[in-house]
Amino acid sequence: GDSVTQMEGPVTLSEEAFLTINCTYTATGYPSLFWYVQYPGEGLQLLLKATKADDKGSNKGFEATYRKETTSFHLEKGSVQVSDSAVYFCALNSGGYQKVTFGIGTKLQVIP
Amino acid sequence: EAQVTQNPRYLITVTGKKLTVTCSQNMNHEYMSWYRQDPGLGLRQIYYSMNVEVTDKGDVPEGYKVSRKEKRNFPLILESPSPNQTSLYFCASRTSGSALQPQHFGDGTRLSIL
Repeated sequence: GDSVTQMEGPVTLSEEAFLTINCTYTATGYPSLFWYVQYPGEGLQLLLKATKADDKGSNKGFEATYRKETTSFHLEKGSVQVSDSAVYFCALNSGGYQKVTFGIGTKLQVIP
Repeated sequence: EAQVTQNPRYLITVTGKKLTVTCSQNMNHEYMSWYRQDPGLGLRQIYYSMNVEVTDKGDVPEGYKVSRKEKRNFPLILESPSPNQTSLYFCASRTSGSALQPQHFGDGTRLSIL
């Protein structure tokens, strides 16, 4: 079945540092890939998505590129802020299926 | 404002006492879903509904029931709660047709079963 692998963390960075959160997946067919963000005490919000190979999703300074050859969708940001502290979930959906498969979530802590 | 509303936000109860967590969305979405979030396990789907009167099991349906009598509401029912159902629960919705559309999540319900 489908699966998503990401580290749980926490990942601790200083403000303005470069961020990478790795995400790899296994899936049938040609999945769409998502990054969701969960701020403390809130539900998940869509951060960005990519629907086909080599697509780059971007939002709020975050980027992720759909790499079919390495089955990866790593999240990056050039300069993190304290307000980026949250839990980040990588997720996929294999086209015709109605279920979204989530990773375990990576907690990011940004310190001033 | 487009939103998914869950109630209650927090609940502490005892084993065996039936409880219902309500979920309502105002976006006219056909698809609704329930997840539980546990440390080290991420989000796991409990049940989902493609439309009114159409529900199906997710990955961890045991011990839960759902109903979809109206498009906007999708309550989660624990008939006889047990301590292993202590968790953080999220309701979500999206338009149907394409599973590639993102989901909109409620703010969560934290259940503690003693």
